[in-house]
Amino acid sequence: SQTIHQWPATLVQPVGSPLSLECTVEGTSNPNLYWYRQAAGRGLQLLFYSVGIGQISSEVPQNLSASRPQDRQFILSSKKLLLSDSGFYLCAWSLKGPPLHFGNGTRLTVT
Amino acid sequence: KQEVTQIPAALSVPEGENLVLNCSFTDSAIYNLQWFRQDPGKGLTSLLLIQSSQREQTSGRLNASLDKSSGRSTLYIAASQPGDSATYLCAVSIAYNTDKLIFGTGTRLQVFP
Repeated sequence: SQTIHQWPATLVQPVGSPLSLECTVEGTSNPNLYWYRQAAGRGLQLLFYSVGIGQISSEVPQNLSASRPQDRQFILSSKKLLLSDSGFYLCAWSLKGPPLHFGNGTRLTVT
Repeated sequence: KQEVTQIPAALSVPEGENLVLNCSFTDSAIYNLQWFRQDPGKGLTSLLLIQSSQREQTSGRLNASLDKSSGRSTLYIAASQPGDSATYLCAVSIAYNTDKLIFGTGTRLQVFP
């Protein structure tokens, strides 16, 4: 069966520090991978998606970037965090169509 | 621009009640609609998927309907239980073969014994 792992579960980082959130999927090949953010009082917003290794599509201009160095690994990064980057970050995967399967998320607080 | 709205934002009901959660979207050009459940501090769990050509889907005590032309979906929960307490999110897919979903802000449901 397929599983998705996200880490860390919680993270507190100062403004201006770098960020690296990692997501891996097991039990499947060539999945579509997604990063969503859930800000307080707002719905989930798609940040990035990837349909294959090295293929990244950005949905909104922002302070973040994503990379997919391996088939089942998706990384969300920032060189310098902003206060507005705080939120709940969710990684998800699908097999070229629904349904979408989510990880347990990372709660990021930028102080 | 596609917008998804969920009403009510919060709902508190006694155990055993049948209830309806509403989702509306502004652009009927969708590929599918999905209902998710989110427990506090957790990720989302897919509950039901309705393709654009379908009218409804059922899973256990859950039934979701889709009226694409009017931009509406409802999630019906029969005989609610305290374990159903969670936030329920609907999302519409706006691109073929990917899960580029537009989410609503959710309905927070509490079922008390």
